[in-house]
Amino acid sequence: NAGVTQTPKFQVLKTGQSMTLQCAQDMNHEYMSWYRQDPGMGLRLIHYSVGAGITDQGEVPNGYNVSRSTTEDFPLRLLSAAPSQTSVYFCASSYSAMSGNYGYTFGSGTRLTVV
Amino acid sequence: SQQGEEDPQALSIQEGENATMNCSYKTSINNLQWYRQNSGRGLVHLILIRSNEREKHSGRLRVTLDTSKKSSSLLITASRAADTASYFCATDARTGRRALTFGSGTRLQVQP
Repeated sequence: NAGVTQTPKFQVLKTGQSMTLQCAQDMNHEYMSWYRQDPGMGLRLIHYSVGAGITDQGEVPNGYNVSRSTTEDFPLRLLSAAPSQTSVYFCASSYSAMSGNYGYTFGSGTRLTVV
Repeated sequence: SQQGEEDPQALSIQEGENATMNCSYKTSINNLQWYRQNSGRGLVHLILIRSNEREKHSGRLRVTLDTSKKSSSLLITASRAADTASYFCATDARTGRRALTFGSGTRLQVQP
């Protein structure tokens, strides 16, 4: 049981480049989300999905796109990378999108540097 | 904006001592959760307490919730060097986005 798998673990981009951060879970979780974590701060929500075909914006969505074509996968696309997007990105999933009182399972993160 | 704010920001104790971390939040919640993050790793779910619960235990962890004060505390008893990590509270709000809102965390250092 792999849980939540994020790839790549590290990435360096040049300003203006685009890329996709991959996230996959094998627990049949309905809910998935993307957070970014900056030094000394908590996690800020970028986008989330309550099920296949359904996505919504979080607190800091600008510069990022998501899609959820399958239950398992929830990729995060950076459209045109900027230095302000240098961060550690975490994908998390949960059994239910409802207020079912379930904890999140996190991936190990992608450390992104934009130069 | 942060829903949950932890206090203190950093805590250093000796092995065997108890560690207490506090979390305050702003809006009505369905539940509050605590997570641990070891350096360079993802977050790990520790414990969840529902809004109608006042106290919950899991091993050496004890969590309390006071919804009238919008606050929670996490107590780690008989701490070990392996407990060294950052600890985050996260709230599941009753209204708004279907997502947890995390605080900025408490860095706990347990000296052997």
